[in-house]
Amino acid sequence: AAGVIQSPRHLIKEKRETATLKCYPIPRHDTVYWYQQGPGQDPQFLISFYEKMQSDKGSIPDRFSAQQFSDYHSELNMSSLELGDSALYFCASSLRETLPGYGYTFGSGTRLTVV
Amino acid sequence: AQKVTQAQTEISVVEKEDVTLDCVYETRDTTYYLFWYKQPPSGELVFLIRRNSFDEQNEISGRYSWNFQKSTSSFNFTITASQVVDSAVYFCALSGGDTGGFKTIFGAGTRLFVKA
Repeated sequence: AAGVIQSPRHLIKEKRETATLKCYPIPRHDTVYWYQQGPGQDPQFLISFYEKMQSDKGSIPDRFSAQQFSDYHSELNMSSLELGDSALYFCASSLRETLPGYGYTFGSGTRLTVV
Repeated sequence: AQKVTQAQTEISVVEKEDVTLDCVYETRDTTYYLFWYKQPPSGELVFLIRRNSFDEQNEISGRYSWNFQKSTSSFNFTITASQVVDSAVYFCALSGGDTGGFKTIFGAGTRLFVKA
């Protein structure tokens, strides 16, 4: 079965650079969620989109922005990168009409290292 | 607000021992969903189980079992006859409900070391 695809798997950037992470949800899933997991931390919710509109917002820095496109894939854009942005970034997708948590699938994550 | 507490930061056991990972949650919602995920050193989040708030039946899957008790707001996870491959970080998580919406709230995780 198709899973949530995240690219790239690994990314190394320098401070103050910009990074773009991509997430391709499971086919027919209309909702995408982004999470940030710092070293030794639990995943923290950043932002979610349903039908290309932002549906919920968590602890996402102002330097970060995200959007969901017409094909439902999503991109997380991070500017003015800081060392503290080094983390594992997870994307998850689901079908909104299903019960919360059902069919909720995480991608394998993108490991961002800022040097 | 919703919250998940995993009081055990690290647990170390010897292979074949049984181990229980504790999870306590807080929510004002009557409908919610609880999860356990495993995160091996490779980093991906592996889904283990989902339980909704109306289903308090305990569940067993091979060496894994889960004990859900609404009266104590706990959703504990037991690994029987642990194996080295069980070494990972385990996250308990909460989702759903009127206030929680669709995002998932994770506990801080419990790092399990299983020694041969």
